[in-house]
Amino acid sequence: ETGVTQTPRHLVMGMTNKKSLKCEQHLGHNAMYWYKQSAKKPLELMFVYSLEERVENNSVPSRFSPECPNSSHLFLHLHTLQPEDSALYLCASSQEGRVGETQYFGPGTRLLVL
Amino acid sequence: DAKTTQPTSMDCAEGRAANLPCNHSTISGNEYVYWYRQIHSQGPQYIIHGLKNNETNEMASLIITEDRKSSTLILPHATLRDTAVYYCIVRVYFTTIFTAGGTSYGKLTFGQGTILTVHP
Repeated sequence: ETGVTQTPRHLVMGMTNKKSLKCEQHLGHNAMYWYKQSAKKPLELMFVYSLEERVENNSVPSRFSPECPNSSHLFLHLHTLQPEDSALYLCASSQEGRVGETQYFGPGTRLLVL
Repeated sequence: DAKTTQPTSMDCAEGRAANLPCNHSTISGNEYVYWYRQIHSQGPQYIIHGLKNNETNEMASLIITEDRKSSTLILPHATLRDTAVYYCIVRVYFTTIFTAGGTSYGKLTFGQGTILTVHP
């Protein structure tokens, strides 16, 4: 397994459901990110974890709850979502503290909230 | 991070070079130019980055003007699979690990990008 993987790739859930998105990076990186991409909108940064500590929370509603149990895994727990939360959710990782480093993205989870 | 300006869309014939421009007139001395692309409904893919010298890798070449206020991404022989949205991003070149409240963790700010369509 290489790079950044995300599961599931597609998810349909009702507004009362609870689900989790999973991200795993195999690059030995020390920072992980969640992004949201709604239709015809730029990517929006949601959360950043650096050395397993959350360092950014961009005014994301509490119905989205991230978890980073170790440097290789990142979760996004979802509960009581709204239809407008339907989007592509992308995970990324990077090795911060090095010159010129960049982020590598996973394939995304396409979420549909009914 | 400095803002960038890119054309909304471009077309290119298959097999020809695709030259995608980007303006970043407010770029700072400590900021790199990064290029990513996103094929429909997939995660963004890193292409190349540079500071002030021209760069080339197996995917593309990056030409940065001497004053660093603009750059061009060149795909030398475009194929149909190069059809995607191309993002030009400027970002600080060195990041440190910050605890909550810090800002230098490597933030990428994506704009609307350029929709490149490669046609037969």
